[in-house]
Amino acid sequence: GAVVSQHPSRVICKSGTSVKIECRSLDFQATTMFWYRQFPKQSLMLMATSNEGSKATYEQGVEKDKFLINHASLTLSTLTVTSAHPEDSSFYICSARLATDTQYFGPGTRLTVL
Amino acid sequence: GEDVEQSLFLSVREGDSSVINCTYTDSSSTYLYWYKQEPGAGLQLLTYIFSNMDMKQDQRLTVLLNKKDKHLSLRIADTQTGDSAIYFCAETPASGAGSYQLTFGKGTKLSVIP
Repeated sequence: GAVVSQHPSRVICKSGTSVKIECRSLDFQATTMFWYRQFPKQSLMLMATSNEGSKATYEQGVEKDKFLINHASLTLSTLTVTSAHPEDSSFYICSARLATDTQYFGPGTRLTVL
Repeated sequence: GEDVEQSLFLSVREGDSSVINCTYTDSSSTYLYWYKQEPGAGLQLLTYIFSNMDMKQDQRLTVLLNKKDKHLSLRIADTQTGDSAIYFCAETPASGAGSYQLTFGKGTKLSVIP
């Protein structure tokens, strides 16, 4: 099946620093990638939809200047959490969409901001 | 807006069948999915069903869809301890209606008792 990877799997950073998370579709091209955030014991919350070569579409309440998304190629999207604070600590998951509308998810990145 | 509901917990004995239920409100749902999330990991697509299907079987997994009642179920036959995880039901609207965003339920935590 389609494989989506994320890097890093876990990151700990100091408050005020920026963190970049990569999402790659390994064996297919994805014109659309999605970024989700998951709080403990809760469902996934869609943060933004990323289309290759265009600006990301952010969900209501998600700060686009804080969560920078770049989808530079058909196999790579990046999420940069700028000036991270402890409340940004969360599990971030990306997914990539196949032409069949099926989404395949990455393994997630655990971000801890001290 | 769209809503997807699931019961939060299910406990079964090893070897028994598990049935996880889900209801949704969006009558335009075209694709309905079941994802599995093991502790600390991303989501794994288990199976999906098109809205014009009533049933889909894949090895130990059987998906039943009652479109009239907007009810989806996942049956796991011969449940094993490795099936212990959180199972998410998700739906997406008809193609062309948006950016193929998934709406998730809160997830059902399946505990398998040896």
